[in-house]
Amino acid sequence: RKEVEQDPGPFNVPEGATVAFNCTYSNSASQSFFWYRQDCRKEPKLLMSVYSSGNEDGRFTAQLNRASQYISLLIRDSKLSDSATYLCVVRVTGGGNKLTFGTGTQLKVEL
Amino acid sequence: DGGITQSPKYLFRKEGQNVTLSCEQNLNHDAMYWYRQDPGQGLRLIYYSQIVNDFQKGDIAEGYSVSREKKESFPLTVTSAQKNPTAFYLCASSPEFDREAFFGQGTRLTVV
Repeated sequence: RKEVEQDPGPFNVPEGATVAFNCTYSNSASQSFFWYRQDCRKEPKLLMSVYSSGNEDGRFTAQLNRASQYISLLIRDSKLSDSATYLCVVRVTGGGNKLTFGTGTQLKVEL
Repeated sequence: DGGITQSPKYLFRKEGQNVTLSCEQNLNHDAMYWYRQDPGQGLRLIYYSQIVNDFQKGDIAEGYSVSREKKESFPLTVTSAQKNPTAFYLCASSPEFDREAFFGQGTRLTVV
């Protein structure tokens, strides 16, 4: 089983739609969680950190469920500019503290 | 401007040659990382460093080497022992080892 798993998509949605992505992680010692956005042939950029109580940044809402070991990202009122690949990232405290990336979920927002 | 600079942006290497990819940051970050990304795949960790003069192997370190002689610099050498080096290489840094990472613009390495 992969350490971090995501549905690769693509998710094709109309502009204005609400779309949700899930990500599951296998290591219960995972301590920090992030969503990154990566545009085609570009570097990943931090979208938002994910906090235990859930957090919101404008149209984006992230939630964490430690019991079920999954993280979600909700995008409301999708824009054409939201088209990208969204990477789920997990950091495990101890054992190197390394960041582990999911393979990403591709979103295409259409007119 | 503060940031992470990778150079070159594109690099072509002949088989059997070693090449070194540069990564410099002026963010005063302690931790630095090297990742490799292949088409349609996620990022895989090659090496990481938590502090100057110390570094650790990641998941796919074979055929690569690094050094961390200065806080600002973490160069990656792709050696001839790396059998499939063509990929997109990303350098990242983070202020502390439990914080989010910030990426450079990447180097696309192609073996010709």
